[in-house]
Amino acid sequence: DAGVIQSPRHEVTEMGQEVTLRCKPISGHNSLFWYRQTMMRGLELLIYFNNNVPIDDSGMPEDRFSAKMPNASFSTLKIQPSEPRDSAVYFCASSGRTSLEQYFGPGTRLTVT
Amino acid sequence: DQQVKQNSPSLSVQEGRISILNCDYTNSMFDYFLWYKKYPAEGPTFLISISSIKDKNEDGRFTVFLNKSAKHLSLHIVPSQPGDSAVYFCAASAGYALNFGKGTSLLVTP
Repeated sequence: DAGVIQSPRHEVTEMGQEVTLRCKPISGHNSLFWYRQTMMRGLELLIYFNNNVPIDDSGMPEDRFSAKMPNASFSTLKIQPSEPRDSAVYFCASSGRTSLEQYFGPGTRLTVT
Repeated sequence: DQQVKQNSPSLSVQEGRISILNCDYTNSMFDYFLWYKKYPAEGPTFLISISSIKDKNEDGRFTVFLNKSAKHLSLHIVPSQPGDSAVYFCAASAGYALNFGKGTSLLVTP
């Protein structure tokens, strides 16, 4: 079985540019999560989707961040405009209907210069 | 405010010995606890979990203990192997959200 797929694996961009991170959850999973990992704050939940609907976006840091899930097999996290303090590793995770365990993708390492 | 704390950033253990990783939490509403393992440049991988109605769960070399009164859980790895060297994250849940600790880096030396 393919796990959670994220792209790109690495992204280097200049301040002010738009960044789009992509995620394909595990087939059949109905919950999707976006996390951000930094040295200072560890792993933080940004947003949670259930059945493609955003349920909790309280972790999204500010209006520059937005996330969509147009269908059950695809989600995007967009940062516009990007800032150097957005540099982090962004993880996508998914979980199934009967399980609380979340399965993580390999992450996207974002560097904003 | 960190609701899940792993107070030891690192731990070094000899191969064959027991590794004990600790985790404390503050929210009494947490009812499900998980341990994840993370290698460099990879995402966290689910390792083992425990519900709040239990005090122990075992899976091969890995055992998780939960002490609700102390709001403490621990992960025991016996025997430790060099391939266990990784960062271990404790997580706690009161619903859909996982609250993660900052991780403990385990090094198992030959």
